[in-house]
Amino acid sequence: AQKITQTQPGMFVQEKEAVTLDCTYDTSDPSYGLFWYKQPSSGEMIFLIYQGSYDQQNATEGRYSLNFQKARKSANLVISASQLGDSAMYFCAMRVDTGFQKLVFGTGTRLLVSP
Amino acid sequence: DTAVSQTPKYLVTQMGNDKSIKCEQNLGHDTMYWYKQDSKKFLKIMFSYNNKELIINETVPNRFSPKSPDKAHLNLHINSLELGDSAVYFCASSQVGIGELFFGEGSRLTVL
Repeated sequence: AQKITQTQPGMFVQEKEAVTLDCTYDTSDPSYGLFWYKQPSSGEMIFLIYQGSYDQQNATEGRYSLNFQKARKSANLVISASQLGDSAMYFCAMRVDTGFQKLVFGTGTRLLVSP
Repeated sequence: DTAVSQTPKYLVTQMGNDKSIKCEQNLGHDTMYWYKQDSKKFLKIMFSYNNKELIINETVPNRFSPKSPDKAHLNLHINSLELGDSAVYFCASSQVGIGELFFGEGSRLTVL
């Protein structure tokens, strides 16, 4: 069964430092997609970054990069130069293609950025 | 113009009542979803519709009845509300392919 695991319930980082949020996944499908979403305290879900299973290069979007290690089945999110506004819940998700597409989410990591 | 909008944003109601949440998307997507986020922030898919047809039903109690009058709208009706139904319900839409979900703002349901 497809599964996403986020083992860090909470992470702390100082402003301007980099932080890595861990995500491992389990699937036997050769084709899948991995996503990261941010949920600030206001509650909306914000798409950050996407990595396809066949993509050769790691995805990057501004200060966000996805460290994709296919053999280890990990898709860690790296946030560089953290800002106070990065404090939020972060969810890793995997697209599952079992006839119909759906996203399966991990349990999330709460990131707190301190001044 | 909000891409995925859902109403109401907040519902507070008594156990046993019935309530509905409406969702609309103007992105032209074929697929719409309902997700439930519980008090521990865990997000779980409930239903998915593709072009008005139900395609995913993740063993949700039949007190929950989704309805899609057209591919831009997906509503959720909940009968006989229970305390455990208290959660944030997110509507989302996507297009086949990458499958990125575009979420509504969420509807926080509190059952007293």
